[in-house]
Amino acid sequence: GQNIDQPTEMTATEGAIVQINCTYQTSGFNGLFWYQQHAGEAPTFLSYNVLDGLEEKGRFSSFLSRSKGYSYLLLKELQMKDSASYLCAVGAFNDYKLSFGAGTTVTVRA
Amino acid sequence: DAGVTQSPTHLIKTRGQHVTLRCSPISGHKSVSWYQQVLGQGPQFIFQYYEKEERGRGNFPDRFSARQFPNYSSELNVNALLLGDSALYLCASSGDRGKYEQYFGPGTRLTVT
Repeated sequence: GQNIDQPTEMTATEGAIVQINCTYQTSGFNGLFWYQQHAGEAPTFLSYNVLDGLEEKGRFSSFLSRSKGYSYLLLKELQMKDSASYLCAVGAFNDYKLSFGAGTTVTVRA
Repeated sequence: DAGVTQSPTHLIKTRGQHVTLRCSPISGHKSVSWYQQVLGQGPQFIFQYYEKEERGRGNFPDRFSARQFPNYSSELNVNALLLGDSALYLCASSGDRGKYEQYFGPGTRLTVT
């Protein structure tokens, strides 16, 4: 099975940087995903890490350490529209589902 | 190109009733997954179908069932509804069998009274 932990809430100021951590325990790992979900909407795909290291996509970066069962999502130059829930999810070998954490609600303040 | 579509958007049912939710994947995608998201929680996996075959089932009771049609659209059925079934039901489609990147539809908000 999967056990995925991430903080419940984070608050940051517009223009700042926020790092959302995710730790996981899994019986077979095949990728770490980050999704963004605005209130009342569906999750939208942000990033996918399968190898160790940092993946950068514009203002968003995601890091993975498989040996530590650890990932983070880095949001830079925060904008008000970044206020949302950020979901960490793990995919496993021969298991076609994604297992999600409970999500981290990020509030960006002016 | 259209993304994943789901219908209906919202639904109100009474305990004990039956509900059918529908999903059409992104054109060219052959895999459809269903998730249940209770308020304040992450999505929980219910089913995945690939090429009309069930490829995975989550920890949900037999009241939940699904199927996939030849055009790759899918239905999720829930019988004998309980209050606890109230949730956002999300459908996600993905392309290759070996790829896990999933794209979600807007969801169906089910309220059971």
